[in-house]
Amino acid sequence: GQSLEQPSEVTAVEGAIVQINCTYQTSGFYGLSWYQQHDGGAPTFLSYNALDGLEETGRFSSFLSRSDSYGYLLLQELQMKDSASYFCAGGGDSSYKLIFGSGTRLLVRP
Amino acid sequence: DAGITQSPRHKVTETGTPVTLRCHQTENHRYMYWYRQDPGHGLRLIHYSYGVKDTDKGEVSDGYSVSRSKTEDFLLTLESATSSQTSVYFCAISDSGTVNTEAFFGQGTRLTVV
Repeated sequence: GQSLEQPSEVTAVEGAIVQINCTYQTSGFYGLSWYQQHDGGAPTFLSYNALDGLEETGRFSSFLSRSDSYGYLLLQELQMKDSASYFCAGGGDSSYKLIFGSGTRLLVRP
Repeated sequence: DAGITQSPRHKVTETGTPVTLRCHQTENHRYMYWYRQDPGHGLRLIHYSYGVKDTDKGEVSDGYSVSRSKTEDFLLTLESATSSQTSVYFCAISDSGTVNTEAFFGQGTRLTVV
């Protein structure tokens, strides 16, 4: 089957850096993307990795290692508004069968 | 914001009754998805569509059926609702359907089966 594993919760201090990990097992690999969801809201797209390495988008960066079936989302200069759930997502057994991890709830403390 | 609307936004229904949720898009995107979200389980794919009348099962399709008779509408039907189907349901749309393309989500439908 296909699965993406994430830690359930992470806590960090405002202004700090936090890393949210994702390990995946899928029959095919079609890239890894990341979504953010605030309580009561809908998920929104953050970033995507198709190749190994780091992709940077402002305060957020995402990393991928295909050989390790592993990726992470890096959030820098944490702000209170970054408190949300973060999901990694990948193609399951086809490029358009979008499967999500169980999500990591990030709590940013003052 | 992407034009995607889910209806109803909230529904309470009784066990054993059929329920249909609607997802309507104005973006002319080819791919549409239905997910359910429960605490501790993240977003689980129920069914998805890769074109009009083209649908396939996701991870948790038992007890659900879908139909897509036109590009803009994707319907999710709970054939005989059970309490285990109490959840928040999200519809998503995507232009290319690949992981590297942003999927846009509707605001969700909170369904309670009593």
